[in-house]
Amino acid sequence: DIQMTQSPSSLSASVGDRVTITCRASQSISNYLNWYQQKPGHAPKLLIYAASSLQSGVPSRFSGSASGTDFTLTISSLQPEDFATFYCQQSYSVPYTFGQGTNLAIK
Amino acid sequence: QVTLKESGPVLVRPTETLTLTCTVSGFSLTNAKMGVGWIRQPPGKALEWLANIFSNDEKSYSTSLKSRLTISKDTPRSQVVLTMTNMDPVDTATYYCARIVCSAIGCYLHWFDPWGQGTLVTVSS
Repeated sequence: DIQMTQSPSSLSASVGDRVTITCRASQSISNYLNWYQQKPGHAPKLLIYAASSLQSGVPSRFSGSASGTDFTLTISSLQPEDFATFYCQQSYSVPYTFGQGTNLAIK
Repeated sequence: QVTLKESGPVLVRPTETLTLTCTVSGFSLTNAKMGVGWIRQPPGKALEWLANIFSNDEKSYSTSLKSRLTISKDTPRSQVVLTMTNMDPVDTATYYCARIVCSAIGCYLHWFDPWGQGTLVTVSS
């Protein structure tokens, strides 16, 4: 199975901060990497697909990038509604594994 | 508008079989660029992918749960059914279904969007 390791597991930040979350795959997955945001009590929401494509309707302050087996989700300027848990997920091979999540909290 | 809604029992006894139904609207289960997946989340824990089914009836399963899972679809009723046998308290989780969207190059590159609201299933005697 491909392991997806997110870092950090949690972080605190302030409104207006630039935040970066990293996801590392245990083997090459090309660009088969998606990012989701989940707020408490709600279902996950797609933010980024195919490593760097912004889902329609998602604010442009969210962006994704890839370098080898390392993938990055960046929020350029945190807004109050961005505080949530973020998950990466690979769709390269079965089983389609998720990372363990990154909890983004208000400082 | 695309929506998915999960339905099924809220309480299951250990060793019983869980049957969950995902009813979709706003897209067809015959669409070659789409499918439906099931994902679960134990309370306070991470997401875990369970199974996918595509329009051509291609199916895939979690490696660790494969022997217990069956996914199927009823196209006329716009429903996808997941069964999980021999339920255990560790299977207590919120179970989500989600639409699979395939990339322009094919379904080997795909993502989940949108998701249903989820249904909490508790396994307890």
